[in-house]
Amino acid sequence: EIVLTQSPGTLSLSPGERATLSCRASQSVSSSYLAWYQQKPGQAPRLLIYGASNRATGIPDRFSGSGSGTDFTLTISRLEPEDFAVYYCQQYGSLQLTFGGGTKVEIK
Amino acid sequence: EVQLLESGGGLVQPGGSLRLSCAASGFTFSSYSMSWVRQAPGKGLEWVSGISGSGGSTYYADSVKGRFTISRDNSQNSLYLQVNNLRAEDTAVYYCARALSSGWARGFDYWGQGTLVTVSS
Repeated sequence: EIVLTQSPGTLSLSPGERATLSCRASQSVSSSYLAWYQQKPGQAPRLLIYGASNRATGIPDRFSGSGSGTDFTLTISRLEPEDFAVYYCQQYGSLQLTFGGGTKVEIK
Repeated sequence: EVQLLESGGGLVQPGGSLRLSCAASGFTFSSYSMSWVRQAPGKGLEWVSGISGSGGSTYYADSVKGRFTISRDNSQNSLYLQVNNLRAEDTAVYYCARALSSGWARGFDYWGQGTLVTVSS
């Protein structure tokens, strides 16, 4: 099973700042199978990025994804108040689909 | 508008069983793979099982293989998860999720609000 490790666990930032979230895989992952989600308390997750760098429908362009192999990054260029949430990466490989443990982006 | 509505959760004793359902609307259900994803209280996301649009292919997490069975009825636009031999660690909110049209494991673009399964004596 491919393990995804997200860092940092918590990111404390102010609105308007740039957020950089990391997702590291224990083995190489096909970029086609790397996605990012946002989840707010009491809500279902929302797809942000698929195929490592493609924004899902309706996602603002301040969200961007990059990376390949074992290292992937989600960047939020300028944090808006509604962006404070938990973010998860997800991959499929070796016949198993796994999620990372999440990064919480909180207001500083 | 795409909608996914889960039901069937509840309190069950260890070793018990439940059948979770997900009613889909607003899209051509048979054209999409679907999955179940769960989230234990205060914890992260865990994929549980997936199924192709036709129902001919199914996929399971190692943690539930042999205990959970995914199925679908395309005539009823419904997805199911039969959960047997439940353990305390199966306690979670179970979400139904639609896979992207480009592939069953490339991402999930619509999610239901979830149904809570609590395993406790």
